[in-house]
Amino acid sequence: GAGVSQSPRYKVAKRGQDVALRCDPISGHVSLFWYQQALGQGPEFLTYFQNEAQLDKSGLPSDRFFAERPEGSVSTLKIQRTQQEDSAVYLCASSPGTGDVQSGELFFGEGSRLTVL
Amino acid sequence: RKEVEQDPGPFNVPEGATVAFNCTYSNSASQSFFWYRQDCRKEPKLLMSVYSSGNEDGRFTAQLNRASQYISLLIRDSKLSDSATYLCAPNGNFNKFYFGSGTKLNVKP
Repeated sequence: GAGVSQSPRYKVAKRGQDVALRCDPISGHVSLFWYQQALGQGPEFLTYFQNEAQLDKSGLPSDRFFAERPEGSVSTLKIQRTQQEDSAVYLCASSPGTGDVQSGELFFGEGSRLTVL
Repeated sequence: RKEVEQDPGPFNVPEGATVAFNCTYSNSASQSFFWYRQDCRKEPKLLMSVYSSGNEDGRFTAQLNRASQYISLLIRDSKLSDSATYLCAPNGNFNKFYFGSGTKLNVKP
């Protein structure tokens, strides 16, 4: 498809397990963002990539969270030793902007819903 | 103080009504502002952009007040299909988009 694709759509993990969430952005999009959205809240910024460079990771809540985009295309968000408070929808968004996203059009994937038991 | 604040609502309005939401932001350096629409259990989608004082697109009008650091979204002649959560997103430092918690709108027949 032509949109942002995320997998898995749903993930149930036991507390302490590691999880990996994948994002396939729109082909050619330079900018890639990860957001965390808890129930009833707006998306919270986690991290931002421009091509393969992770330019901002200030939103990652702890060192258990790690994101990469090694070839400037697909990105993976990894959460180690999951905790119940990690339960949320993880949204990936991409933008064609070359560092200047003044157009504001972030194209979101449908999200990966993580439930930690 | 949160970067972006919105009234969570819900705003319950009849079809045909006019409704307005406000959003306040704390980063005075923000240059561009956006309203996104999010349907239940779906991803956000861009509704409108605001770069200067305002923008109008059909039934939707967005206005920016830089002095008071708020943006508003006005919806005229509400439709049932307008029911959704509306997210405000100022463009912050170096493309860090902060989203508000959203304002929920329910349009009733």
